[in-house]
Amino acid sequence: AQTVTQSQPEMSVQEAETVTLSCTYDTSESDYYLFWYKQPPSRQMILVIRQEAYKQQNATENRFSVNFQKAAKSFSLKISDSQLGDAAMYFCAYRGWNRDDKIIFGKGTRLHILP
Amino acid sequence: ETGVTQTPRHLVMGMTNKKSLKCEQHLGHNAMYWYKQSAKKPLELMFVYNFKEQTENNSVPSRFSPECPNSSHLFLHLHTLQPEDSALYLCASSQELTLTEAFFGQGTRLTVV
Repeated sequence: AQTVTQSQPEMSVQEAETVTLSCTYDTSESDYYLFWYKQPPSRQMILVIRQEAYKQQNATENRFSVNFQKAAKSFSLKISDSQLGDAAMYFCAYRGWNRDDKIIFGKGTRLHILP
Repeated sequence: ETGVTQTPRHLVMGMTNKKSLKCEQHLGHNAMYWYKQSAKKPLELMFVYNFKEQTENNSVPSRFSPECPNSSHLFLHLHTLQPEDSALYLCASSQELTLTEAFFGQGTRLTVV
């Protein structure tokens, strides 16, 4: 069975600095999707970034980028120029390629932004 | 706002009460999901509906009863809950089961006393 592990329950970063959130996963599949979701205090889960496993290029979305290491099964999220609005829970998630595959989430990392 | 609306936002209920959570999506999606989010645990998928048909029930106790009258609405009926059922219940939707991401509501914070 696939699993997603986020080893950092909480992290803090100074405003305007860069922070990296770690995520590892376990799967025997070769094709799949990986996601980072953000859950701010409003509680709504918002998709931050998505990576298809067959793509070698790391996904980027404005200040958010990932470091996807397929062989190591690692999928870290880098947030550049951190802003106060980035404070939230961040969830790493995995979804298989098949039609009926469901999204599997990690336990999350709570990110604090220090002014 | 992602187009998925959940009501109520907060709910406190006794163990003998019956209540319902409501989820509504205006995205034209065909698949809807209930997730349970407890502190320090991964999101737990509870139920999946695709085209109004339940396709998955992840060993959820019968005190949770889902209902999907149409592709836009999803309910979670609650009765005789336990204090350990207190959690954030998130609804999500996606365009069929093949979409690579789900859109979430803001959740209902449930407290069972």
